Amino acid sequence: AQSVAQPEDQVNVAEGNPLTVKCTYSVSGNPYLFWYVQYPNRGLQFLLKYITGDNLVKGSYGFEAEFNKSQTSFHLKKPSALVSDSALYFCAVRARGSQGNLIFGKGTKLSVKP
Amino acid sequence: NAGVTQTPKFQVLKTGQSMTLQCAQDMNHNSMYWYRQDPGMGLRLIYYSASEGTTDKGEVPNGYNVSRLNKREFSLRLESAAPSQTSVYFCASSDGTFLGDTQYFGPGTRLTVL
Repeated sequence: AQSVAQPEDQVNVAEGNPLTVKCTYSVSGNPYLFWYVQYPNRGLQFLLKYITGDNLVKGSYGFEAEFNKSQTSFHLKKPSALVSDSALYFCAVRARGSQGNLIFGKGTKLSVKP
Repeated sequence: NAGVTQTPKFQVLKTGQSMTLQCAQDMNHNSMYWYRQDPGMGLRLIYYSASEGTTDKGEVPNGYNVSRLNKREFSLRLESAAPSQTSVYFCASSDGTFLGDTQYFGPGTRLTVL
């Protein structure tokens, strides 16, 4: 069965510092991996995804994520956090070659303080 | 180009009442999805439609029915609402041509069942 874990319910970062939001996954075979962001009272917005190729994926708003197959991780990163990055972040996984659906983690609340 | 739209934005029902949540997309996508979001649980798939004319159960289908009215529209019906169905409901759509395609989300419907 597919599963996604976001081990931190909340991440607190000072503005200007680097940020990392962690995600680990469990699927049979190779995964498709996604990050979404949700601002208060809004729908989910797509940030980036890993399909194949370069393990470092660059996305919207200066975010990037690194696919690490050996550690089954797909951590979201940004070199310099902004207060406006404060939101709820969701990691999601889908197994290749299956009819399984997109499975979401429980979300990590990112709080960036000035 | 509005993307994915949902109506209504908010709804309060009494236990036993019925209602239909509407979703439409203008991206000519083949696949559409209904999710519910509950605090601390991420998003869970209720039903999906891989293409016009097909619908399938997701992770939490009990108490819901869906209709893929045409390629653009996918509705979710609660026949007899229960307090356990209090949640935020999101519709999403994707191209549907491969498992790694991106799902795009609507703004959500916040439903309270008293």
